[in-house]
Amino acid sequence: DAGVIQSPRHEVTEMGQEVTLRCKPISGHDYLFWYRQTMMRGLELLIYFNNNVPIDDSGMPEDRFSAKMPNASFSTLKIQPSEPRDSAVYFCASSLGPQGEETQYFGPGTRLLVL
Amino acid sequence: TQLLEQSPQFLSIQEGENLTVYCNSSSVFSSLQWYRQEPGEGPVLLVTVVTGGEVKKLKRLTFQFGDARKDSSLHITAAQPGDTGLYLCAGEHQGGKLIFGQGTELSVKP
Repeated sequence: DAGVIQSPRHEVTEMGQEVTLRCKPISGHDYLFWYRQTMMRGLELLIYFNNNVPIDDSGMPEDRFSAKMPNASFSTLKIQPSEPRDSAVYFCASSLGPQGEETQYFGPGTRLLVL
Repeated sequence: TQLLEQSPQFLSIQEGENLTVYCNSSSVFSSLQWYRQEPGEGPVLLVTVVTGGEVKKLKRLTFQFGDARKDSSLHITAAQPGDTGLYLCAGEHQGGKLIFGQGTELSVKP
């Protein structure tokens, strides 16, 4: 398996623009997680899905952020409108089971810079 | 909000030296995980410790979970340049949610 695939790897955009990040989890994994990593706040869980259903979105910063998982092999994280403080590395991870019970496999991340 | 504090934040040592990284919290965790992250990549799980006082070894890396399950340490013996990276601890609390520490940036110079 190729592991968790994320695209794009790098994104530079201007404030106010819509940004869409994409993730393909490892085949057979029922859980998908979206994280954000910054120097100030470290690695934070934004939202996670189980069998394509959003379970906990309490980490989503505000209404500008939304995430979908239309099928078992694809998820998106959208920011609209984007702001400079959204600049961070966004990771997608997948696992066979819940956090703490099964190993999470992280993708390579998307580096987002909002000017 | 439960916090995990890691120390030191940065560590630069010479090849062959030993080092210890600490992960501390005022909260009790069901389990604690250690990850290593290389530049441009996502974190990779190294180990999970579950029982208070548990010690796990992974080659030159020794992981210990505190007796009260509030803290953990990672000790590396005879560090190598290949050990360079960001080391993250993550604690699992009630509900199964993982809380990550800020990380320790380790640089091992040849």
